[in-house]
Amino acid sequence: GAVVSQHPSWVICKSGTSVKIECRSLDFQATTMFWYRQFPKQSLMLMATSNEGSKATYEQGVEKDKFLINHASLTLSTLTVTSAHPEDSSFYICSAKTGNNYEQYFGPGTRLTVT
Amino acid sequence: GENVEQHPSTLSVQEGDSAVIKCTYSDSASNYFPWYKQELGKRPQLIIDIRSNVGEKKDQRIAVTLNKTAKHFSLHITETQPEDSAVYFCAASVFGNEKLTFGTGTRLTIIP
Repeated sequence: GAVVSQHPSWVICKSGTSVKIECRSLDFQATTMFWYRQFPKQSLMLMATSNEGSKATYEQGVEKDKFLINHASLTLSTLTVTSAHPEDSSFYICSAKTGNNYEQYFGPGTRLTVT
Repeated sequence: GENVEQHPSTLSVQEGDSAVIKCTYSDSASNYFPWYKQELGKRPQLIIDIRSNVGEKKDQRIAVTLNKTAKHFSLHITETQPEDSAVYFCAASVFGNEKLTFGTGTRLTIIP
């Protein structure tokens, strides 16, 4: 149980285009989802927290107009990287939790390469 | 906000020996401390966690200790095996706040 999927697993896009990444909780309802970014050989950095039906809360320094997050249902959150640039190339990981549980369940990650 | 420091950044141990990774946190309100193992290109995998109402938790070869007064917690891996080689992250959060703050990671290498 508690499986989180992400799609796509990897994507290459041209500079200036937009890319959408999906995060799904497959067997539970995710009241809260999180989006992280991880650069090579670095730690996970939280980008934003989203609750179903509410606007996402972004961490300091994360541009909300560039990284659009939508949490339209209890099983799906999307991250859209708009006007992508090479510096946006990274490993994007989502996680989800439900109710009052402590544990977050992580997706397999999406490797984004912007050329 | 919370700040989590993790040491060492790299650790090499002989197979069969023990490995210890240490973390300190800044927010005294933090009450949930998970440890994750991450292999290259993979998702973080929860290996053990501890809540602030206990001082120690053990699961087979893995144990975590927590000192709330000193605001530090440690991961102990005994009888290390080659498959323990990975990057390990500690994290901290305040229940209700929900955000996890990660440490900087430790690259553990088990030498056969």
